[in-house]
Amino acid sequence: QSALTQPASVSGSPGQSITISCSGTSSDIGGYNYVSWYQQHPGKAPKLMIYDVSNRPSGVSNRFSGSKSGNTASLTISGLQAEDEADYYCSSYTSSSTVVFGGGTKLTVL
Amino acid sequence: EVQLVQSGAEVKKPGESLKISCKGSGYSFTNYWIGWVRQMPGKGLEWMGIIYPADSNTKYSPSFQGQVTISVDKSISTAYLQWSSLKASDTAIYYCARTASYLDYWGQGTLVTVSS
Repeated sequence: QSALTQPASVSGSPGQSITISCSGTSSDIGGYNYVSWYQQHPGKAPKLMIYDVSNRPSGVSNRFSGSKSGNTASLTISGLQAEDEADYYCSSYTSSSTVVFGGGTKLTVL
Repeated sequence: EVQLVQSGAEVKKPGESLKISCKGSGYSFTNYWIGWVRQMPGKGLEWMGIIYPADSNTKYSPSFQGQVTISVDKSISTAYLQWSSLKASDTAIYYCARTASYLDYWGQGTLVTVSS
């Protein structure tokens, strides 16, 4: 199975909104509502930010939102803050009963 | 509080064997899958496989099938990831994570360094 496709980097200024895309196929993103997003700061373990396409775990800011259209999922961060600077990974359940991650996107807050 | 605590960093030589652990607490260990994720130096996350502690049902990524073994001892709420013959390319941080349709709680990671 191939990794999901994410942009290598995105950037935005404090207060702005950014969107990170995650492209897959009908065998993963398009076939299931099991897309999740993870934030990883340098030297830290990943943290779940969005699950099942658009749900936020308790404690995650409502500035983070997720959506899906066809074979592409998106993570939107509104009101960018310096602390949002991190790597972001999408993942999806697949038709092989496995999970696949995206290659990761480095978010820079200018 | 849900916690996954992993074993400490390891330095091994090529060809050696290794078993790292992940101990769960604060929840019903047998009711949730435990997954393993690899992160090679400076690279992204790679899903390796999962195990269901209640019955040891296991599923591997095709990329890791035959390369590693995932096991569990439910009596001590601990999952394991093991190699029979390490390679330099196994150098990475390995994370365990409680898994449903998402990975909601993660261990702190175990750094495995394989070098002659």
